[in-house]
Amino acid sequence: SQQGEEDPQALSIQEGENATMNCSYKTSINNLQWYRQNSGRGLVHLILIRSNEREKHSGRLRVTLDTSKKSSSLLITASRAADTASYFCATAPNTGGFKTIFGAGTRLFVKA
Amino acid sequence: GAGVSQSPRYKVAKRGQDVALRCDPISGHVSLFWYQQALGQGPEFLTYFQNEAQLDKSGLPSDRFFAERPEGSVSTLKIQRTQQEDSAVYLCASTFRSRGHNEQFFGPGTRLTVL
Repeated sequence: SQQGEEDPQALSIQEGENATMNCSYKTSINNLQWYRQNSGRGLVHLILIRSNEREKHSGRLRVTLDTSKKSSSLLITASRAADTASYFCATAPNTGGFKTIFGAGTRLFVKA
Repeated sequence: GAGVSQSPRYKVAKRGQDVALRCDPISGHVSLFWYQQALGQGPEFLTYFQNEAQLDKSGLPSDRFFAERPEGSVSTLKIQRTQQEDSAVYLCASTFRSRGHNEQFFGPGTRLTVL
């Protein structure tokens, strides 16, 4: 079973609006990553935030991490039609193993 | 530079057939992962290699699934006696460092359909 849970499952917005996706997980982690998947480019890494970081920015992306709540959020500002994709959070549990655990994803649709 | 490649891109198998899926990671990448992704779901971890050593195979769903990476580069995922529930996209990913706690580079996947 998957550890991460994304919320919402699907999101439809207009171009130019901001999109916020949330992720919750269950165990202690080393880091949390966000990936994007669309039919054209497959799964692509977006950003990694370490367990001792609270916020990170990369271009139009802003990620927050709250380890006390075991949750993260991904904010995409000024969305574009090209941002239409599925977004997954992925965690590396701090249990000594080698798994990366993906959530079920948020499907984002940006209308032009 | 070349990314992760997988072959075949599509595979149709009759139930009971054996299949072999190939992954060519980025040259020099130590870590290699296999994932199974069902329609509408996120990737599910299957197994992990560090060089040629299979250090974690806890995600393999049954003993019909077998993976190898004999020379620490190319990897093969083999599924014996395929069942309909094996239909999914099989993704391979590699990272430069060990343990994979870094950015993973994914291949395009192999879409397996078992009839």
